Amino acid sequence: EVQLVQSGAEVKKPGESLKISCKGSGYSFTSYWIGWVRQMPGKGLEWMGIIYPGDSDTRYSPSFQGQVTISADKSISTAYLQWSSLKASDTAMYYCARRRAAPGSSYYFDYWGQGTLVTVSS
Amino acid sequence: SYVLTQPPSVSVAPGQTARITCGGNNIGSKSVHWYQQKPGQAPVLVVYDDSDRPSGIPERFSGSNSGNTATLTISRVEAGDEADYYCQVWEAVFGGGTKLTVL
Repeated sequence: EVQLVQSGAEVKKPGESLKISCKGSGYSFTSYWIGWVRQMPGKGLEWMGIIYPGDSDTRYSPSFQGQVTISADKSISTAYLQWSSLKASDTAMYYCARRRAAPGSSYYFDYWGQGTLVTVSS
Repeated sequence: SYVLTQPPSVSVAPGQTARITCGGNNIGSKSVHWYQQKPGQAPVLVVYDDSDRPSGIPERFSGSNSGNTATLTISRVEAGDEADYYCQVWEAVFGGGTKLTVL
């Protein structure tokens, strides 16, 4: 059974750093891209970026480039999303998801993690 | 950048058919995917590549795509279908979401 299990909720202060994780199991972790999706309170889904754990090839949405870092450790089947200096506006639920290919250079997410709630408040 | 437009809300009585639209310029030439998100839960893929269903998704969920509009159709709507629904194209573009209310 394919599973993506994310780390637990975090409460941080502005300016602090944070790294959240997403552990995959039940499939070949190095063979599928993993994406990160933000959902701010009461809002929709935003695509942040993706990583290929096989070689750590990473791509970012222009909206998130330079704001976060996506990484992976294939030895433990885990992807990460990290911030060096959090802002209150980073308060959101963050999901990881496994990417699959559809025809015509289209992709979708077939399995999702349960989400990690990040709260940034002074 | 490419924009997907969904109605903020759709309401339907149990047993009826719900249609949720996703508008975009020439969206019929693109592959559209749909997700269901119930309150407090992660999104779940319900339709991919316009009209394919992942295993475990009821046949009541179907999709179509033509011209400038893609449509997610939910037949014989049940109370448990009440959720937010999001369309997606390519990979990085999501619609704003539609809240389906079952009356």
